[in-house]
Amino acid sequence: AQSVTQPDIHITVSEGASLELRCNYSYGATPYLFWYVQSPGQGLQLLLKYFSGDTLVQGIKGFEAEFKRSQSSFNLRKPSVHWSDAAEYFCAVGPLNTGFQKLVFGTGTRLLVSP
Amino acid sequence: DTEVTQTPKHLVMGMTNKKSLKCEQHMGHRAMYWYKQKAKKPPELMFVYSYEKLSINESVPSRFSPECPNSSLLNLHLHALQPEDSALYLCASSSPRANQPQHFGDGTRLSIL
Repeated sequence: AQSVTQPDIHITVSEGASLELRCNYSYGATPYLFWYVQSPGQGLQLLLKYFSGDTLVQGIKGFEAEFKRSQSSFNLRKPSVHWSDAAEYFCAVGPLNTGFQKLVFGTGTRLLVSP
Repeated sequence: DTEVTQTPKHLVMGMTNKKSLKCEQHMGHRAMYWYKQKAKKPPELMFVYSYEKLSINESVPSRFSPECPNSSLLNLHLHALQPEDSALYLCASSSPRANQPQHFGDGTRLSIL
């Protein structure tokens, strides 16, 4: 069965510092990989996605992620964190189906940004 | 700005009430989803509609009844809910191509008294 592991429940980063959120997946083939962000009281917003090709993916808000097949990882990075980045971050795997996706989400990492 | 619109944003209902949650998208997506999200947890898939037909029901209790009247609308009818059903209910939509991401609405915050 597919699974996604986000080992860090909480991470605190100083504003302006770099950020890396970890994501490991278990899947029989190369899946479709996503990072979503959720601010309090809001829905999920897509940050970036990986399907194939270049393993370094650029997303919105200055985020990037790197797919490493050998490590089954898809870690999210940002070189300089802003206070507005404080939110919950979800990594998700989207196995291939016909006509729709059945996403499997990680448990999430809550990012706190200190002044 | 979200492209998936959910109404109402908040709903408080008693256990004997009947209410409906609504979701609308105009992106031409042919797959639509209902998720339930409890506090500090990831979204849990409830239902998937593909081309207006129910494709997945994740063993959801019958007190939740989905409906997809057309390709732009998705409803979730609620009846005789339990306090543990209090949660954020998220709607999402996606293109039928599997390599396209889901787009989420901002959700309906449901409280059962």
